[in-house]
Amino acid sequence: ATQMTQSPSSLSASVGDRVTITCRASQGIGNALGWYQQKPGKAPKLLIFDTSSLQSGVPSRFSGSGSGTDFTLTISSLQPEDFATYYCLQDYNYPRTFGQGTRLEIK
Amino acid sequence: QVQLQQWGAGLLKPSDTLSLTCAVYGGSFSDYYWSWNRQSPGKGLEWIGEINHSGSTNLNPALKSRVSMSVDTSKNQFSLKLTSVTAADTAVYYCARGVAVPGSSDRFDLWGRGTLVTVSS
Repeated sequence: ATQMTQSPSSLSASVGDRVTITCRASQGIGNALGWYQQKPGKAPKLLIFDTSSLQSGVPSRFSGSGSGTDFTLTISSLQPEDFATYYCLQDYNYPRTFGQGTRLEIK
Repeated sequence: QVQLQQWGAGLLKPSDTLSLTCAVYGGSFSDYYWSWNRQSPGKGLEWIGEINHSGSTNLNPALKSRVSMSVDTSKNQFSLKLTSVTAADTAVYYCARGVAVPGSSDRFDLWGRGTLVTVSS
């Protein structure tokens, strides 16, 4: 199975900060990577697919980049509602695998 | 507005069979595929598997020997069964809608609210 490793596992930041989360795949996955946001007690929410395509309704401060094995999620200016846990998910091959998550906390 | 509504038993004993169903309201059933994922308490997400409207499945090898999935297209529902559960299967189970578009990678764009399943003697 393709292992997905996220870093950092947790991150403290302030409103207005620019934040970057990385996800590394154990093998090349092309651009078949998505990012999901999860708030406590809620289901994950799709933010980005195809590495850099913004899901409808998601604010433009979220962006994604990368290819092959290294990917990033960037939030250009943190808003209070962005404090959550973020997961990457590869859909290049089976089994689908998630990263272990990055918890974004308020500093 | 499309919604996924899921249900099933929330408390099981070891060796029981977990059974969950997810219903699709307000949208197409055959244009998508349907997935189950789970999240153990305080842990990350795990993909269990997926099924399309024809009943074709892809399952996580780690669970494959215990997992089965089915669809009922007359009701726009899909189901998960996991046999011989143990405490390690305690988790919130989520159903999700999978989007597959030619030339694009797949994604899960709609999720159910989750069902907490606890395995305890």
